[in-house]
Amino acid sequence: DAKTTQPNSMESNEEEPVHLPCNHSTISGTDYIHWYRQLPSQGPEYVIHGLTSNVNNRMASLAIAEDRKSSTLILHRATLRDAAVYYCILSHGNQGGKLIFGQGTELSVKP
Amino acid sequence: AAGVIQSPRHLIKEKRETATLKCYPIPRHDTVYWYQQGPGQDPQFLISFYEKMQSDKGSIPDRFSAQQFSDYHSELNMSSLELGDSALYFCASTKGGGRPSTDTQYFGPGTRLTVL
Repeated sequence: DAKTTQPNSMESNEEEPVHLPCNHSTISGTDYIHWYRQLPSQGPEYVIHGLTSNVNNRMASLAIAEDRKSSTLILHRATLRDAAVYYCILSHGNQGGKLIFGQGTELSVKP
Repeated sequence: AAGVIQSPRHLIKEKRETATLKCYPIPRHDTVYWYQQGPGQDPQFLISFYEKMQSDKGSIPDRFSAQQFSDYHSELNMSSLELGDSALYFCASTKGGGRPSTDTQYFGPGTRLTVL
């Protein structure tokens, strides 16, 4: 399975943008990039996913490098409720959908 | 909107006992995944089912078994419990077998199993 690398932790101030990086240098052509987050004491929650083009939804934006070896999850205005562990996960067509969680980034948000 | 339901939410067992965890997917979802999250660890995939058939298997001990029923709910059966089985067990559901291009997994709140 292709591997992802994320910083252990990041800090942000409330109402400021947050850029969470993810490196995936061994990504293959059929791998989708998924982001999930896990708030304290809750199950993981889907955030966003993409293949090659940048993606936007109501929660976040996903910027994918042209060579697809890295991506960045962008929270446009961090709130206290965004404090969570963010996981960058690769999945491909014959993987059956299982999510392989690596070490995510623990985001703390300061008021 | 209806979410994934897991029961019980908390379970305390003694070593060598058995436990059964239940998962009720979102209506019309036909695919269920089970994950185990030990204290301070990241979730680890255990097993998945699509249309009542096992579709994939991860690091699931032989002491554990699971199945998906005709109404698509799933049960994880754990026997000869060990202290190391103490963890949060999450169930997730999706529709269509898990196509990464379109399928998102929706997670339940988890069952916290404590083995004494």
